[in-house]
Amino acid sequence: EVQLVESGGGLVQPGRSLKLSCLASGFTFSNYGMNWIRQAPGKGLEWVASISSSSSYIYYADTVKGRFTISRDNAKNTLYLQMTSLRSEDTALYYCARRPGLAYWGQGTLVTVSS
Amino acid sequence: DIVMTQAPLSVSVTPGESASISCRSSKSLLHSNGITYVYWYLQKPGKSPQLLIYRMSNLASGVPDRFSGSGSETDFTLKISRVEAEDVGIYYCGQLLENPTFGAGTKLELK
Repeated sequence: EVQLVESGGGLVQPGRSLKLSCLASGFTFSNYGMNWIRQAPGKGLEWVASISSSSSYIYYADTVKGRFTISRDNAKNTLYLQMTSLRSEDTALYYCARRPGLAYWGQGTLVTVSS
Repeated sequence: DIVMTQAPLSVSVTPGESASISCRSSKSLLHSNGITYVYWYLQKPGKSPQLLIYRMSNLASGVPDRFSGSGSETDFTLKISRVEAEDVGIYYCGQLLENPTFGAGTKLELK
């Protein structure tokens, strides 16, 4: 069974940093591209970043470019999102999701940016 | 970025009746490989989104055949036949031709 388990969320002050993790199991992690997608409270889905299976291709939404870094460790079956210079508008539930088709999603980890 | 526009934003359906949700993209989602990269997701209350339809008309694993997807290059429809209580939630269309973008969502409620 495919499982994606996010962690690392929490309350953080504006301008500070936070690193999210997504632990994958039930499939060969190194074969699949991955995404981070977020959902602000009561709002819709917003794609944040993508990374290919071998980390050769990485893309970011304009809203996070230069502040967030997506990475992965295939030996540890783990996807990461390093978030810096956090803003109040980054407050959201952050999901990791597997390609193709975003067929599998984790349960999400909540990031709250507030002073 | 490709803009996905959904309608209606909410729909109220009597159990057993059908429901349709529309989605329009600002750019053709038909790739040169013949695949149309539109997807449909359902987010049940308090849950993560789940894939319903992939590549416009293909039913995801475990999804009841009451759900179907259709469309053209820029106009798409999700149809739910014989709506049940478990179908309540927010439906999102999304495109994966380029970096993902999603519609605003359609909230389905029961009458």
